Amino acid sequence: AQTVTQSQPEMSVQEAETVTLSCTYDTSENNYYLFWYKQPPSRQMILVIRQEAYKQQNATENRFSVNFQKAAKSFSLKISDSQLGDTAMYFCAFMIKGGSEKLVFGKGTKLTVNP
Amino acid sequence: EAGVVQSPRYKIIEKKQPVAFWCNPISGHNTLYWYLQNLGQGPELLIRYENEEAVDDSQLPKDRFSAERLKGVDSTLKIQPAELGDSAVYLCASSSGQGHGNTIYFGEGSWLTVV
Repeated sequence: AQTVTQSQPEMSVQEAETVTLSCTYDTSENNYYLFWYKQPPSRQMILVIRQEAYKQQNATENRFSVNFQKAAKSFSLKISDSQLGDTAMYFCAFMIKGGSEKLVFGKGTKLTVNP
Repeated sequence: EAGVVQSPRYKIIEKKQPVAFWCNPISGHNTLYWYLQNLGQGPELLIRYENEEAVDDSQLPKDRFSAERLKGVDSTLKIQPAELGDSAVYLCASSSGQGHGNTIYFGEGSWLTVV
């Protein structure tokens, strides 16, 4: 079974600074996808960024980037130039490629951006 | 384009009463999911549909939960009778599926409180 671990229940950062959220996962599969979702208080899960395991290049979406270390099964999210609107729960998630199309989530990290 | 629509957003019921949640996925999305999110946890899959067929319902407590997706579009999730432990957010999501790790889009969720 696949598991996703987020070891930081809560984090805070000052506006305009950089923060990194950690995620590790456990799987015996070789082909899979990894995701970071953002969940603001409205509770709607919003995709932030995705990574395909076979791609060595780290994904980037504007201020968001990942550090994907396949051998270490690590998938951290870096948020640059943090904004107040980044305040939310962040969930790391895993999906097997060509499998059940099922997302397995971690428990989340609550990020607060302070003015 | 409209996103995933869920209703009701909030529901308070007494234990042992029935409750139903409705979901309208993004147009053209064949895959529909119902996830359960307990407080302080990441979402967990309850059931996944490919068109009208429930292809993964292994985590659905079938003694009290039921779901249907008539005509392969809208879906309803029902709980009867509700228990105190069912208080949670019920998230509906959809994707175009096809086994390519396509993005899964979530609705805003239905918050259930059982008193």
